[in-house]
Amino acid sequence: SAVISQKPSRDICQRGTSLTIQCQVDSQVTMMFWYRQQPGQSLTLIATANQGSEATYESGFVIDKFPISRPNLTFSTLTVSNMSPEDSSIYLCSVDTGGNTEAFFGQGTRLTVV
Amino acid sequence: AQSVTQLGSHVSVSEGALVLLRCNYSSSVPPYLFWYVQYPNQGLQLLLKYTSAATLVKGINGFEAEFKKSEPSFHLTKPSAHMSDAAEYCCAVSSYNDYKLSFGAGTTVTVRA
Repeated sequence: SAVISQKPSRDICQRGTSLTIQCQVDSQVTMMFWYRQQPGQSLTLIATANQGSEATYESGFVIDKFPISRPNLTFSTLTVSNMSPEDSSIYLCSVDTGGNTEAFFGQGTRLTVV
Repeated sequence: AQSVTQLGSHVSVSEGALVLLRCNYSSSVPPYLFWYVQYPNQGLQLLLKYTSAATLVKGINGFEAEFKKSEPSFHLTKPSAHMSDAAEYCCAVSSYNDYKLSFGAGTTVTVRA
């Protein structure tokens, strides 16, 4: 299993600013992921955070908007850049420790952009 | 490509009644299937999973789900609802060669006394 600490738990931000979300895991993991859940929508994968290399982004998500760092096997950050109200969502960090059979999630960051 | 459809964004059941949450999916490869639950003020946690073993899967808190390849579906059931089952339930699919999860839109369950 894995315990994930995600910070901040919520924030209200001005449009045009950036917010960095932190994800700390209590054990070393290979696979770390960032998801977004817009109001009324499914959880959607933004990117896979790779240790020692650039993140791998899903279709519709770009590095300039969502830069990701993964400095070691227990920590990652996601930045939401130049925010607009459309970025108001819940952002979730996830890790997979079970050989693709069990993912663990942080409690999420509820972001509101005004 | 994989996709997941959950029928009904909100389900209300009486305490002691059957809980049935529907999940249909499409996948071009043999799937791994999951149900996650999020209780109020808590993070997502795994309820149960199917990874190509028995088609009827039992999870925590009395929930179970059956993998039906012919439909294809992975509906979640619990024979008798309890007040503590009030939560959001999400169905998800991945595959043996891909760690990425594709989620349904989620179903919020409320339980009436």
